[in-house]
Amino acid sequence: NAGVTQTPKFQVLKTGQSMTLQCAQDMNHNSMYWYRQDPGMGLRLIYYSASEGTTDKGEVPNGYNVSRLNKREFSLRLESAAPSQTSVYFCASSEAGGELFFGSGTQLSVL
Amino acid sequence: LAKTTQPISMDSYEGQEVNITCSHNNIATNDYITWYQQFPSQGPRFIIQGYKTKVTNEVASLFIPADRKSSTLSLPRVSLSDTAVYYCLVGPEGGKLIFGQGTELSVKP
Repeated sequence: NAGVTQTPKFQVLKTGQSMTLQCAQDMNHNSMYWYRQDPGMGLRLIYYSASEGTTDKGEVPNGYNVSRLNKREFSLRLESAAPSQTSVYFCASSEAGGELFFGSGTQLSVL
Repeated sequence: LAKTTQPISMDSYEGQEVNITCSHNNIATNDYITWYQQFPSQGPRFIIQGYKTKVTNEVASLFIPADRKSSTLSLPRVSLSDTAVYYCLVGPEGGKLIFGQGTELSVKP
């Protein structure tokens, strides 16, 4: 039972490069989320998808785009990476009841 | 959106009961209250969730007064392995779930 799977686990980018972080869940959850966590700080919501076919902005959406490809997958894209986007990115999913299940995170460094 | 306020840090000793209170004055009718634990380099892990009154599971209790403007997470007999950051999260099912700053709990021998 994999739960929430994120790829890649580590990534180093140069300023201006683009990349997509992948997230997939096998729990048949309706809602999915992307958070970022800077060193020593709390989690900040980037985007979320309450159900398949819908996406909404969170607290810090600038510089990111998302795609809810199907019920299982929710990807996060950085079109032009900046050093300020250096962070750990967590994907999460939830079903009715609100408990969030988190992936193991992607550690991203932008040089 | 319900904003949450928690103490930034707390210290305790092994075997003690720890109570962490979260303030959420503008909680909405359809909001649930959920607590998470996070260890370094890991994603947060669910501890307990409630809507009103008291909820208890095998690891913690959650006390919610009638006005729901605050909640208290109670950890009985903490151990060194309970050293972590604890987050109070208030929000609707499947909605915009915003984490607060969290409480860094340090358990000492």
